[in-house]
Amino acid sequence: AQRVTQPEKLLSVFKGAPVELKCNYSYSGSPELFWYVQYSRQRLQLLLRHISRESIKGFTADLNKGETSFHLKKPFAQEEDSAMYYCALQPLFSGGYNKLIFGAGTRLAVHP
Amino acid sequence: DGGITQSPKYLFRKEGQNVTLSCEQNLNHDAMYWYRQDPGQGLRLIYYSQIVNDFQKGDIAEGYSVSREKKESFPLTVTSAQKNPTAFYLCASSKNRDMVAVSTEAFFGQGTRLTVV
Repeated sequence: AQRVTQPEKLLSVFKGAPVELKCNYSYSGSPELFWYVQYSRQRLQLLLRHISRESIKGFTADLNKGETSFHLKKPFAQEEDSAMYYCALQPLFSGGYNKLIFGAGTRLAVHP
Repeated sequence: DGGITQSPKYLFRKEGQNVTLSCEQNLNHDAMYWYRQDPGQGLRLIYYSQIVNDFQKGDIAEGYSVSREKKESFPLTVTSAQKNPTAFYLCASSKNRDMVAVSTEAFFGQGTRLTVV
């Protein structure tokens, strides 16, 4: 079964500190992993996907198949990064059914 | 203006009544999803549909029903069988995955908050 685990409900840091939001997944096949973000009063939106290997707003995430993890990192947090972050998984090859599963989310609070 | 629209924003229902939440998209996406968002539990998948006239149960489908008669529309009915229907409901749509390189970014609506009174 597919499962996404985000162990931290809340992560509180000071501006300029490094940030790591943890995500572990369970899936027997080849997954695609995503990070979605929800800023206050805005819609949930895509932050980044592992296949793109990109850095968005200073955030990066590396897929570690050995540890089944996809942690989100940023070296220097900004106050505008405060938001709810969700890790999500979708099978890469699933016979046409693209079930998209989310974790419970981590609220990041960046203090001045 | 392209996007995904959920209506209404707030909905009140009496116990024992069915209620239908609307979700419409003009992004020409084949895939559509319904999630329930509760504090501390994240987004839980209720139903999803990859194509018109086809849909699959998610992890918490009991007490819910859907239809997909048109590509643009994926309404969710919360039935009286749903034991704890008060929640925030999110609809999303995306392209189907044909190739690995195709982005299947999901686009979300603003949500509907359902309260049972």
